[in-house]
Formats: sequence, structure tokens, C-alpha cells
Amino acid sequence: GAVVSQHPSRVICKSGTSVKIECRSLDFQATTMFWYRQFPKQSLMLMATSNEGSKATYEQGVEKDKFLINHASLTLSTLTVTSAHPEDSSFYICSARVRSNEKLFFGSGTQLSVL
Amino acid sequence: DQQVKQNSPSLSVQEGRISILNCDYTNSMFDYFLWYKKYPAEGPTFLISISSIKDKNEDGRFTVFLNKSAKHLSLHIVPSQPGDSAVYFCAASGRTSYDKVIFGPGTSLSVIP
Repeated sequence: GAVVSQHPSRVICKSGTSVKIECRSLDFQATTMFWYRQFPKQSLMLMATSNEGSKATYEQGVEKDKFLINHASLTLSTLTVTSAHPEDSSFYICSARVRSNEKLFFGSGTQLSVL
Repeated sequence: DQQVKQNSPSLSVQEGRISILNCDYTNSMFDYFLWYKKYPAEGPTFLISISSIKDKNEDGRFTVFLNKSAKHLSLHIVPSQPGDSAVYFCAASGRTSYDKVIFGPGTSLSVIP
């Protein structure tokens, strides 16, 4: 199956710093990428949808100025958590697909811990 | 308001028996459904999907059934194996703007040897 690479897998940072997470589709071009977060023992919550070359669409309650998403090419999307706080500590997962109504391919996730 | 529901947070099944995981949805615009398996601290792995034009899709030990009128789908795993122990997420997408994929809360399956 298609491969989505997500880096870093784990990051620990101090409160107030910014963290960038990369998501790459390695063997296909992803017209759409999605960013999810998961709290322990909870479901995957969609944060935002990004289409290559256009602004991301954020879900209700997700601060777009805090979670900056860039989808500069068909194979790369980045999520930057700006001025991170302890409550931003979570598991962030990206996913990608080629066309609508096709399955999503997921990255391996990034565990963010903000001290 | 949860659009995709998995009412059983956990399920235990004996090895070799059938595992049945259920999922209900509320949005009639959903027309594509997926099941994912997830281990802790890893990304979800795609298992099987079904389009609303079908009522059954089978792939090896995994079969997904869709009942559109009841807005219900189920994943059957036969025979269950200890390696199947994981959290299973039901997901749905449809002809809404951006075709986003919405996940249910998950069901933790334990297959007992």
C-alpha cells in the first residue's frame, strides 16, 4: 500500500516554543491531507483538511493561528504548533489520499509532549 | 454531536471465534465507510472499506456489512486471532464539502488465546 511518512515520531519541547511536524506521501501524490489529534483512549479528532495550494479548512474549535498548516506540494504538508502549551500535548497524526472517497493512508503519528 | 458511533468501547473474544464490531452513523450523506486498526502510539492501518452501493465486502478474514436503511455497519473477523487485539475505528466520508473522513470513538478488541 501507499506510504505516508511523518516526522518526528516524538518531540518534547518547552512551553512557548513552536514545533513543526512533517507529513510526506512517499509514492503517490496526495491532493488532500488531513491532520488529526488523539488524546489517550479517545478517538481521532479531525483538526483540519488541507488541499495542495490552498488554505487549510479548520474544524470548529481548532485555532488556525495556533495550528498552522501548509500544504505546499502534492507530497508534503506541515503542521506547526505555535507557542505550545502543556494542553497541546497529544498524539498528532496526518493522513493523505489521492482522490475523494478513497481510503486514507496514515502516517505513524507524532507524540508531542509540552513541558 | 457524534456522527459516527461505536457503542461498545471494548470487546473480548476467544481465539478462533468470530469478532463482530458494530458502527452506527447519523449523517445520510455518508456514502463511503472504512475500518481501521490501531495500536497505541502508531498511526491507524487500513483494513477494509465499503461503498454505499454495496451491502457486503470481504477481504480474507475480514467482512464488512452495510445496512443503509438502518445506518449501520459491522466488521466481522473470522477466525479471530490474538494478533487482532487492537483498537478498531469505524470511519465515514461522503459528498460533503471537502469529503472529510469522520472517525468513531473506537472499540478495543481483545482476542484471548
